[in-house]
Amino acid sequence: ETGVTQSPTHLIKTRGQQVTLRCSSQSGHNTVSWYQQALGQGPQFIFQYYREEENGRGNFPPRFSGLQFPNYSSELNVNALELDDSALYLCASSLWLSNQPQHFGDGTRLSIL
Amino acid sequence: GENVEQHPSTLSVQEGDSAVIKCTYSDSASNYFPWYKQELGKRPQLIIDIRSNVGEKKDQRIAVTLNKTAKHFSLHITETQPEDSAVYFCAASKTTMIKAAGNKLTFGGGTRVLVKP
Repeated sequence: ETGVTQSPTHLIKTRGQQVTLRCSSQSGHNTVSWYQQALGQGPQFIFQYYREEENGRGNFPPRFSGLQFPNYSSELNVNALELDDSALYLCASSLWLSNQPQHFGDGTRLSIL
Repeated sequence: GENVEQHPSTLSVQEGDSAVIKCTYSDSASNYFPWYKQELGKRPQLIIDIRSNVGEKKDQRIAVTLNKTAKHFSLHITETQPEDSAVYFCAASKTTMIKAAGNKLTFGGGTRVLVKP
């Protein structure tokens, strides 16, 4: 069984730039959720994708957007980067409405200078 | 929306002692409560979870209790070992078919547990 994989592991950007983070879901999973974890805090829900559509969104502005592909992998895009976007971005996969838990990837550490 | 509060924020215990972490939630519709352990620089790993139709669940040295009436749940670690040192997060969600609810996990702020040898 292949677990959740994310790329890249680390990324450094400057304010105003755009970034794309990638996630491959665990085999057999069809739902991907993205979370932002600031240093010393719990993860915050950004949005979730199922059947290539956004299914629920947290309190994040529209410059945070995503995609899900037919193979269930997903991308998180952030435009007009701000210093506060510096965080660990976690992807979690699960099986839609299966009553099974979400499993996380190792995350992408994004630093904004 | 859901709000989850977690206490304490830090917990230092002697090896072999027990550790207890408590969480409260605000949304009475929440029905799923996982606990994650996150070691420095690593992914959150699910260690135990409980659903709202169960009051207690145990897995070796780890147990979780749920009080739906009071809207709080707790993690109990017995016979703590140095490898239990990590940050622990509680979370809550509701499994629903309503779009836009998202089955999202709402996390507590975390508890840093240090087990002293």
